This record gives sequence, structure tokens and C-alpha cells, in this order.
Amino acid sequence: GNSVTQMEGPVTLSEEAFLTINCTYTATGYPSLFWYVQYPGEGLQLLLKATKADDKGSNKGFEATYRKETTSFHLEKGSVQVSDSAVYFCALPYQTGANNLFFGTGTRLTVIP
Amino acid sequence: NAGVMQNPRHLVRRRGQEARLRCSPMKGHSHVYWYRQLPEEGLKFMVYLQKENIIDESGMPKERFSAEFPKEGPSILRIQQVVRGDSAAYFCASSPPIGDEQFFGPGTRLTVL
Repeated sequence: GNSVTQMEGPVTLSEEAFLTINCTYTATGYPSLFWYVQYPGEGLQLLLKATKADDKGSNKGFEATYRKETTSFHLEKGSVQVSDSAVYFCALPYQTGANNLFFGTGTRLTVIP
Repeated sequence: NAGVMQNPRHLVRRRGQEARLRCSPMKGHSHVYWYRQLPEEGLKFMVYLQKENIIDESGMPKERFSAEFPKEGPSILRIQQVVRGDSAAYFCASSPPIGDEQFFGPGTRLTVL
């Protein structure tokens, strides 16, 4: 089945620093790719997604580009805020066309003022 | 439009008792998924259901765990004879009949004493 490998954390950054969280995937075909965010004590929220190669998903200043050549979907943000402190998960369907998702192990981000 | 509802939010059980976790999907969503998150780990898929049908239960432990999504009422994840290793956060997600985005509930945190 499909899978993702996500950069291990934790990551600690100062406010306004640049963020990159790496995610690479292994898949049959070209499934949709997702980034979810989990704030402390809450469930997961979809942050952004991309449905095909070269697509760029973006939301709340975060971006990720679906790169077929490098099988990557790295999450980036140019200037992080304290409120971005959370755990970030890369995900994709277990099988292309399937509904259930395979999640990466998560990367905990802490942004300090 | 209310989001995915889960209850209880916190559940404490002694070893050997039964745990029942409930999930009400978003209005108009006919697909429900259950995931388990162990401490400091990512989410692991357990089961995917549509109304009155189990579509994929490949992530469910073979014993003690069962899930249903009846024609009326919420989806139920049932764990019989709980053990300490069942302590985790259990998340439910729902999706519409068409589309690949899943919407997550706030989770139920199960603690087995």
C-alpha cells in the first residue's frame, strides 16, 4: 500500500522564522496528498491538500507542492507565529482511490516568541 | 452545520470492562472512519464504514474490537474486556459520498486503569 515518511521532530523555531517540514511518499499512481494539523487537545484539521502532480496546496500562509520527480510534499511557511505551534501530519490514501488514510508519525512544532 | 461529534470526550475504564465510543458524522456524510492514536504517535486506521456496512476493517484488532454504523444513530466503536494497551485517543472522521476530504471529530481519550 501507499505510505509517507515524515521528518521527525520536534521542531522549535523563533517567531517569524521560516518553516520546512519534510514529507516523502511511496505510492502507486498519483493519489491526493494531505497535510493535517492537530492543535493541543483537539482533533485533526485539514490544513491543505493537492490532488495531482505539480499542484500547490495553500492555506493560512502554509504551502506544499506535489512533486512527482522527488516524490515529496514538503510543508513550508515563510514566517511562523506562536499560534502555529501544533503537530503536523502528512497523509495519503492507503491505496490510490481508497478512502482510508495513511498518516505520517507527525512533527511537533513549537514556536517561541 | 455542526462538525463531527464524538462522545464521550474522556472515558475511564478498568481492565476487563467494556468501552463504547460514539461518533455522529457531519450532516450529509455517509462514510465514517475510525483511527487510533497512541501517545506520541501518528494515527492508525482501524475501520471504514458506510451506513449498515463495514467496507474495510483491515486495521481492526481481530479480537475484542467491533464497529457499527446503523441506519439510524451514531457509529459505535466497541472495545470489550479492555486492557491497558487500549489506552489511546480514538478519532472518528466522516466524508461525503463523493470527495476525498475527511473531517475529524475531537476524539475520545480512553484511559484504562
